[in-house]
Amino acid sequence: KAGVTQTPRYLIKTRGQQVTLSCSPISGHRSVSWYQQTPGQGLQFLFEYFSETQRNKGNFPGRFSGRQFSNSRSEMNVSTLELGDSALYLCASSLIGQGAEQYFGPGTRLTVT
Amino acid sequence: AQSVTQLDSQVPVFEEAPVELRCNYSSSVSVYLFWYVQYPNQGLQLLLKYLSGSTLVKGINGFEAEFNKSQTSFHLRKPSVHISDTAEYFCAVSPSGGGADGLTFGKGTHLIIQP
Repeated sequence: KAGVTQTPRYLIKTRGQQVTLSCSPISGHRSVSWYQQTPGQGLQFLFEYFSETQRNKGNFPGRFSGRQFSNSRSEMNVSTLELGDSALYLCASSLIGQGAEQYFGPGTRLTVT
Repeated sequence: AQSVTQLDSQVPVFEEAPVELRCNYSSSVSVYLFWYVQYPNQGLQLLLKYLSGSTLVKGINGFEAEFNKSQTSFHLRKPSVHISDTAEYFCAVSPSGGGADGLTFGKGTHLIIQP
């Protein structure tokens, strides 16, 4: 079974631009979660989607948004990029979410200059 | 809300020696507990998890962890480490009562294996 895939793996953007990251979950997984990983703040929960609905959102500004499609693939968007948005963005999928094992993708490394 | 404290940011250990990585958590509700490992330039891989039942949990790669409810701890142990265990280790919790809260992670412990 193929694992979680994330595209692109690396991205360089300029301050003020917007970016869209993509995540394809493991086949059959309906829950997709996004996390931001930085050296200073560590791993922080962004949001979780289940059956195309956002069920929960972490403490991030409205510039961070996401969506999930009917095939469970998910995208996250960051608008008006700031230098502090430079991070590794990790996507994780699971069967049902709560308590179920989350399988992580390799991440997208975003650098904002 | 939950919080996780990993008491050591870095743990150096000689190869074939035992190791313990410490994790304490705080939560007003019951939680599930997890340990993940992250190798350089990779995502996170689940080592083991505690949902209920026996407080001693065995995971992959020879790791085990013990849930201690009174001390709110979930320390990770391995009796004999190898060079390949060099990685970042993260302890995480999520509420067990339902809902869609994501995982709350500790800051991580960098395990350094010395030959």
